[in-house]
Amino acid sequence: GNSVTQMEGPVTLSEEAFLTINCTYTATGYPSLFWYVQYPGEGLQLLLKATKADDKGSNKGFEATYRKETTSFHLEKGSVQVSDSAVYFCALSDLYNQGGKLIFGQGTELSVKP
Amino acid sequence: GAGVSQSPRYKVAKRGQDVALRCDPISGHVSLFWYQQALGQGPEFLTYFQNEAQLDKSGLPSDRFFAERPEGSVSTLKIQRTQQEDSAVYLCASSHGGQGADGYTFGSGTRLTVV
Repeated sequence: GNSVTQMEGPVTLSEEAFLTINCTYTATGYPSLFWYVQYPGEGLQLLLKATKADDKGSNKGFEATYRKETTSFHLEKGSVQVSDSAVYFCALSDLYNQGGKLIFGQGTELSVKP
Repeated sequence: GAGVSQSPRYKVAKRGQDVALRCDPISGHVSLFWYQQALGQGPEFLTYFQNEAQLDKSGLPSDRFFAERPEGSVSTLKIQRTQQEDSAVYLCASSHGGQGADGYTFGSGTRLTVV
């Protein structure tokens, strides 16, 4: 079945450091890929998405490229801020095979120190 | 409302007690999903409604879990005879479209603790 695997946390970085959070997926169809972010005490928020191979999603300085050949959707940011501290979830949705429900990775906690 | 509202925000239940968790989706949103998020894990799908029809309940972990959305708006997730393994955050999400994850809005969740 479909699944998502992301790198384990916590990830601790200094402010202005480069961020990569790895995400790989397994899917039988042609899924859409997502990154969600969960700030402390808040609900899940969509950070960015990509709906087909080679698409790049971007938002708030974060980017991720849908790589079908490596089944990956790694999240990157060139210069993190303390306010980026949160838990990040990679997810996929296979509209045609699973009706649009999201399948999430286990989450990666990011802590950015001043 | 402006967002997806879930209540209560926190619930402590004694083992064996029945609980009911409420989700008020964004007005006019057709699709509604319930997810279960255990501590330190990603959310896991429970069930999906399109209007009042429950189209997928494959994620419900046992027959103690029941969800309804009788008028196609507010939804209730009921857990009967709660067990400790039911302790988790229960998330509700809604979207305007009939299918697809492009426009989901998540609520803040209900944290259920079974003691």
